[in-house]
Amino acid sequence: EPEVTQTPSHQVTQMGQEVILRCVPISNHLYFYWYRQILGQKVEFLVSFYNNEISEKSEIFDDQFSVERPDGSNFTLKIRSTKLEDSAMYFCASSDRGVEQFFGPGTRLTVL
Amino acid sequence: SQELEQSPQSLIVQEGKNLTINCTSSKTLYGLYWYKQKYGEGLIFLMMLQKGGEEKSHEKITAKLDEKKQQSSLHITASQPSHAGIYLCGYTGANSKLTFGKGITLSVRP
Repeated sequence: EPEVTQTPSHQVTQMGQEVILRCVPISNHLYFYWYRQILGQKVEFLVSFYNNEISEKSEIFDDQFSVERPDGSNFTLKIRSTKLEDSAMYFCASSDRGVEQFFGPGTRLTVL
Repeated sequence: SQELEQSPQSLIVQEGKNLTINCTSSKTLYGLYWYKQKYGEGLIFLMMLQKGGEEKSHEKITAKLDEKKQQSSLHITASQPSHAGIYLCGYTGANSKLTFGKGITLSVRP
């Protein structure tokens, strides 16, 4: 069964460093999303992406964040200058019709 | 803004018992989703409900959306240890952004 994959599973970085989280959505899906979950808190929407552009972004998704679909398969989330409060689990999701969203296993980002 | 409240916050049941968890919205729901999350892992899509009074089942899990489309329940029949996890309800708005409740932690004792 096709699934969303994410790499790395765990990323440790120093405050101020740039990180790129990678996702491979399900191959025929057209809608892509990033969510995050700070430990013990709700899963929060960050950004949605369709037709090579951002459809919607949350208040969390400020200028330090960017997304890209560099080729036909990958979908990346870049954080330019990480802060301690960016430590969280980051989930990628994809959808074929923008209805059911299928989530990846997540990348645990730890900012020291 | 629209809020989702899930109850109870956590639940411990004996294996084989039935259980029901709830999700209540402060406004009318146009799409209600149930996901399951194992601790530290990704979210697994369970079901989506859109119509008032709709009911869907998958294996031993049944989800319902009330006629007013403001409350959904998830019922598990004859619970098993594999049902343990965090159950999240969520709704979609414009651009299919999902907004989740806090989740309900279910533990199943063998």
